[in-house]
Amino acid sequence: AQSVSQHNHHVILSEAASLELGCNYSYGGTVNLFWYVQYPGQHLQLLLKYFSGDPLVKGIKGFEAEFIKSKFSFNLRKPSVQWSDTAEYFCAVKDSGGYQKVTFGTGTKLQVIP
Amino acid sequence: EAQVTQNPRYLITVTGKKLTVTCSQNMNHEYMSWYRQDPGLGLRQIYYSMNVEVTDKGDVPEGYKVSRKEKRNFPLILESPSPNQTSLYFCASSSGEQGGYTFGSGTRLTVV
Repeated sequence: AQSVSQHNHHVILSEAASLELGCNYSYGGTVNLFWYVQYPGQHLQLLLKYFSGDPLVKGIKGFEAEFIKSKFSFNLRKPSVQWSDTAEYFCAVKDSGGYQKVTFGTGTKLQVIP
Repeated sequence: EAQVTQNPRYLITVTGKKLTVTCSQNMNHEYMSWYRQDPGLGLRQIYYSMNVEVTDKGDVPEGYKVSRKEKRNFPLILESPSPNQTSLYFCASSSGEQGGYTFGSGTRLTVV
């Protein structure tokens, strides 16, 4: 069974600080990886996804993530956060086959202080 | 506009009173899924559907039913709701293997 671990439950940063949120997954096969963002009171939105090819993936709003297969990791990064990045971030993994089971991590709440 | 529509957005009900949360997508997606979101637990999959008349259990299916009679609709049914089903529910759909999920706006259910 696949699983996802997000070790940081709550992160507080000042504006302009750099961000890195950890995500590790456990699965024996080939995976597809995602990061979603949930702004307060809203639904989840896709930030970026990795399916194959370049392990460095760029998403919306200046976010990027790097897939490191040997470490089973898919960490999310942003060089300089803004107050508007305050949200909860979820890492997710999917079996790359036809089966659509997507497993989510427990989320990381990011609070950016102006 | 491409979207997943859930109704209602908020619902307060009493234990044992059957309810249905509707979900509809206008993107002709084959894959649909229901999740519940609880503090500290993230999102847990309740049921999913790979196509019309094809549904299967996710991680937490107990107490829930689904149906997929049409491609666009995937209602979630609680035959006899209990307080432990108080949660935030999300419906999501996907175009297939290369697609991420598009989520609905959520349904906040309270069972008293």
